[in-house]
Amino acid sequence: EPEVTQTPSHQVTQMGQEVILRCVPISNHLYFYWYRQILGQKVEFLVSFYNNEISEKSEIFDDQFSVERPDGSNFTLKIRSTKLEDSAMYFCASSEAYQGNTEAFFGQGTRLTVV
Amino acid sequence: DQQVKQNSPSLSVQEGRISILNCDYTNSMFDYFLWYKKYPAEGPTFLISISSIKDKNEDGRFTVFLNKSAKHLSLHIVPSQPGDSAVYFCAASAMDSSYKLIFGSGTRLLVRP
Repeated sequence: EPEVTQTPSHQVTQMGQEVILRCVPISNHLYFYWYRQILGQKVEFLVSFYNNEISEKSEIFDDQFSVERPDGSNFTLKIRSTKLEDSAMYFCASSEAYQGNTEAFFGQGTRLTVV
Repeated sequence: DQQVKQNSPSLSVQEGRISILNCDYTNSMFDYFLWYKKYPAEGPTFLISISSIKDKNEDGRFTVFLNKSAKHLSLHIVPSQPGDSAVYFCAASAMDSSYKLIFGSGTRLLVRP
């Protein structure tokens, strides 16, 4: 069964450093998303991406965040200068059409720890 | 702004009995609702969904009910099994918002053998 894969599973970084979280969405999916879950809190939407551009982003997704689809398979989330409060589980998701009419498939997540 | 609320942080039921997980929402623009199951250190796994034009959707042991007038939905699991023990998230999306998912805070279900 096709699945969304994320690497690394755990990333530890020093405050102020740049991190890149990587995702390989399901191959025939067209819509890609990043969500995050701070420990003990709800899963929060960060950004949606379609047709090689951001279609929507949340207030959390400020200038420190960027997304890219550098080739035909990878989808990345970059945090330029990490802060302690960026520590969270980051989930990549993809869907075949759009999430309103079909489910989004989530990856296993990357646990980001900023020290 | 909690647009999707799950007021019960936890629920414990006996194996074989029915589990009922509840979810309330405030945004009348939501037109699609989903339930996800999540184990620790894993991503959410899709369970079942319902469109706002329906009031019930069933898939095996899982049934989702939608009451639009009350802005309430529920997930029924029957019979409950120990393997159902996990955190269940209700999520909603709206056509005018890029179909991003707005999640509730989750309900931890424990099914006792």
